[in-house]
This record gives sequence, structure tokens and C-alpha cells, in this order.
Amino acid sequence: SQTIHQWPATLVQPVGSPLSLECTVEGTSNPNLYWYRQAAGRGLQLLFYSVGIGQISSEVPQNLSASRPQDRQFILSSKKLLLSDSGFYLCAWSLAYNEQFFGPGTRLTVL
Amino acid sequence: GQQLNQSPQSMFIQEGEDVSMNCTSSSIFNTWLWYKQEPGEGPVLLIALYKAGELTSNGRLTAQFGITRKDSFLNISASIPSDVGIYFCAGQLRGNFNKFYFGSGTKLNVKP
Repeated sequence: SQTIHQWPATLVQPVGSPLSLECTVEGTSNPNLYWYRQAAGRGLQLLFYSVGIGQISSEVPQNLSASRPQDRQFILSSKKLLLSDSGFYLCAWSLAYNEQFFGPGTRLTVL
Repeated sequence: GQQLNQSPQSMFIQEGEDVSMNCTSSSIFNTWLWYKQEPGEGPVLLIALYKAGELTSNGRLTAQFGITRKDSFLNISASIPSDVGIYFCAGQLRGNFNKFYFGSGTKLNVKP
């Protein structure tokens, strides 16, 4: 069966510091991978998605970036965090023409 | 960007009552998904729908893919306290199977 992992689970970072969140999927090949951000009590905002290694589509201009160095690994990064980057970050995977499944999320607090 | 209008925004109901929520769009969708999210966790897929008119159940949950392909609804029968959470609809537009569009969520509160 397929599983999706995210780490860390929680993170507290100062403004201006770098960020690296990691997501890995097990039990499937060539998945589409997604990064979402969710503000408290709000809906899901799609940040990036990837249909293959090295292929990244950006949905929202911001100081975040994403990379897919391996088939089942998706990384969300920032060189300098802003206060507004605080939120709940969710990674998800899907196969084309199929459902989407979410990871457990990373709670990021920028102080 | 594409918008899914999900309603109601929130619901306060008594244990045992039935619940209904829906999502509508101005565009045609090929897939409708319903998720439940509990605090501090990722959304969990409840039901997936792929055909217009399709009616699918998962325990006390029933969801339907609207005939026009522009809407979907989710019903929960005989609600219990553990149904508390935020329910999201999501869909894939016809012709684009790489992106999912999400509704803004329905927050469900169940009073014992």
C-alpha cells in the first residue's frame, strides 16, 4: 500500500531563516506531487505541483520554491522566511485520472 | 483561478441529525472528491466520484456527482460526535487531470 511522509511535523523558525520541508511517497511510481499551504481555519492553497522529476509548476508567486530530485521526493524551500509564510503545509500525491492523498502536514511558525 | 463554491461554511447540529453540504462550480468537472480534515492533520479522502449521476456511499456518508457535472453533494446520516471536522470538496476539471481545485470547507460541529 502507498504511504506519504512529511517532516518535520512542526517547525519554529525566525524571520529571514531558510526553510526545507521534505515529502516522500512509498508504494507507487511516477506520482504527481503537490504542495499546499493552509492558513488557520482556511482552505487549501496550491503552491506547487510536479508531474515528474525536475518538473515543477508554480501556482502562486512568492519566496518559496520546490524541487523534485527523485521520483518520490518533493522538497519545499525558502531562502528567507517571512512572517506570512507561517501555516500548515501539506504534501499530496496522485496518479493521473485518480484520487489525491495527503500527508500528515508540517506546522510552520515563523517568529 | 477556478473556484468551487462550498456551502454551508459551518454547521452546528445535534447528534443523530442528518447533514447535507454541497459544492458548485461554473465549470464542468470530471472528478469530485470529498475529504474530512481533523485539527492538526492532513485531509482524509472519504469518497471519490467519477461519473455524472454517480451515487456512492461510505458507511453513513453518501455523495453524488451532479448530472450537470458542475456540482456535488455530501450527506451524513445520523451524525455522531466523531463526525466533527472540516469537510472539503475537490475536483478535477475536464481536460486537466494534474490539478485539483478545492472548496473552502464546511466546518461541522456535533453536539452530543
